[in-house]
Amino acid sequence: GAGVSQSPSNKVTEKGKDVELRCDPISGHTALYWYRQSLGQGLEFLIYFQGNSAPDKSGLPSDRFSAERTGGSVSTLTIQRTQQEDSAVYLCASSLARTGTNTEAFFGQGTRLTVV
Amino acid sequence: SQQGEEDPQALSIQEGENATMNCSYKTSINNLQWYRQNSGRGLVHLILIRSNEREKHSGRLRVTLDTSKKSSSLLITASRAADTASYFCATGSSNTGKLIFGQGTTLQVKP
Repeated sequence: GAGVSQSPSNKVTEKGKDVELRCDPISGHTALYWYRQSLGQGLEFLIYFQGNSAPDKSGLPSDRFSAERTGGSVSTLTIQRTQQEDSAVYLCASSLARTGTNTEAFFGQGTRLTVV
Repeated sequence: SQQGEEDPQALSIQEGENATMNCSYKTSINNLQWYRQNSGRGLVHLILIRSNEREKHSGRLRVTLDTSKKSSSLLITASRAADTASYFCATGSSNTGKLIFGQGTTLQVKP
């Protein structure tokens, strides 16, 4: 596709349920990032992938959060046993290379997760 | 924890005025980027300035970078109502590969 695609756009789930959020990056982009944004706040870094590997998972809030990327393309962020504090917009971005190499990131429109 | 701190948190100006937003960061960087966000969804890249650059222009945007003070500023000249949005700075590091965002400045431009 032409841009970063995220699905679903909105997700309402019951507390305690598991959810999967999907990100389809721009074709050929090797770096992929996940962020979380609570209402009116900045972007909280969660994890990034270089190819299929995740050099830095330090931003994941708890062991209920996990992410994977397969084939150097699609990534899935999974939240197990969701809690109300997980409610936020989850944003995915991709870039041609690691951002230290001076490349911009392209963002998807995000998934708004509401845990009730 | 987040790398960047932005100032002010909120800014309200009249159309035609200039808007200046500041960003400070803590660690060494390879580049600093500015993004715009409308309506709390996807961010759009505005401009990237490398650590060896001091100033960069793009249309009505002017970005400065002072690595000795670990700070950057974004100037929007001749603002328009359509510039109303949240603006974020982000720092990129080759050491970590991360792109870390500040808390953002909410800009309101009144017609």
